[in-house]
Amino acid sequence: SQQGEEDPQALSIQEGENATMNCSYKTSINNLQWYRQNSGRGLVHLILIRSNEREKHSGRLRVTLDTSKKSSSLLITASRAADTASYFCATDVIYNQGGKLIFGQGTELSVKP
Amino acid sequence: GAGVSQSPRYKVAKRGQDVALRCDPISGHVSLFWYQQALGQGPEFLTYFQNEAQLDKSGLPSDRFFAERPEGSVSTLKIQRTQQEDSAVYLCASSLDVGGGDQPQHFGDGTRLSIL
Repeated sequence: SQQGEEDPQALSIQEGENATMNCSYKTSINNLQWYRQNSGRGLVHLILIRSNEREKHSGRLRVTLDTSKKSSSLLITASRAADTASYFCATDVIYNQGGKLIFGQGTELSVKP
Repeated sequence: GAGVSQSPRYKVAKRGQDVALRCDPISGHVSLFWYQQALGQGPEFLTYFQNEAQLDKSGLPSDRFFAERPEGSVSTLKIQRTQQEDSAVYLCASSLDVGGGDQPQHFGDGTRLSIL
């Protein structure tokens, strides 16, 4: 079973606009990661945020984490057509041994040129 | 190649046949994971290896699923007596160090398994 839910399930925007995706999870975590998946390909790691961090930036990506609400958001600024992909959050739950990740169901982002 | 390699990319089998899926992780990566991804869903954990030791197989859906990594590098996921519900993409991932979800996992492109 999956850890949580992502919202929205699908998002369609124009190039240059910002895209925000949200992730909620159920159990306490050590950290949370975001991955991107292009159609027919494997997942690519984007960013990791630890449970004691509230915000993190990487290029055009901004991730926030609110452990009290058990939620995270991924913001992609100035989106490009190449950002079209599915985006997944993944959690490393407390007491996890081995580093297995529990993924959300994903947000499908479409950026129109 | 520098990435995780999986083969075959596509596999079609008849119900009841056995299949074997191969994963070549990034050289030197200690941890190896198998995930199953249904259409339109996120990956679901199957099993985890630290070198050759299978430390977590809690996600394997039935005893028809078996995974091994005998020399701590290449891994094989075997499914016996396949059923239609086994149809999915099987993803392999590796990470550099032991344990800890505090490091990125590097994924292969997966094997798309279709059971007829």
